[in-house]
Amino acid sequence: EAGVAQSPRYKIIEKRQSVAFWCNPISGHATLYWYQQILGQGPKLLIQFQNNGVVDDSQLPKDRFSAERLKGVDSTLKIQPAKLEDSAVYLCASILSGLHNEQFFGPGTRLTVL
Amino acid sequence: AQSVAQPEDQVNVAEGNPLTVKCTYSVSGNPYLFWYVQYPNRGLQFLLKYITGDNLVKGSYGFEAEFNKSQTSFHLKKPSALVSDSALYFCAVRDIYGNNRLAFGKGNQVVVIP
Repeated sequence: EAGVAQSPRYKIIEKRQSVAFWCNPISGHATLYWYQQILGQGPKLLIQFQNNGVVDDSQLPKDRFSAERLKGVDSTLKIQPAKLEDSAVYLCASILSGLHNEQFFGPGTRLTVL
Repeated sequence: AQSVAQPEDQVNVAEGNPLTVKCTYSVSGNPYLFWYVQYPNRGLQFLLKYITGDNLVKGSYGFEAEFNKSQTSFHLKKPSALVSDSALYFCAVRDIYGNNRLAFGKGNQVVVIP
């Protein structure tokens, strides 16, 4: 089966600019996650979708970050405006429904904010 | 909140020697534990999980992990390390009280020396 797709793979922007990342989960996976992975740290959950609804966005900096999954399939994460501390790898993951199933991760988008 | 700790930053091991990557957990209730591996410029790949049952869990690429309830540990092991095992390893626990989000440790860099 095809894996989780993400684009772009790399992005360099200047602070205060905007940026958007795209994710297409594995077909049939209802739950989609966006993580932020800062260098030297483990991934931190930003937002979780179940179909097109937000389940958990408690750790999303809502003053600058937004995400949507309008049709319950692919998703977009946006940062506007970006700060230096947003430099990180942004990972998308999806999961087949079920408490004990593992998440499948995409390759990530490496964002550098100058 | 559920959490995991990976006490070491880097693990160095000679090729052919046993490899151990340590993880301890802190949970309320039954733990659901996972190990993931991350190769450079790649997303996280699932290795194995403990949900219930046997304390010794076998996973991908010859890895296994031992669940120890009394020591609240879930150490990852491989009997004979390969150079290709050099990567970043993450332990994670599913927070069943937090929308099933995964809480990751900071990761361990494993370096297998030829």
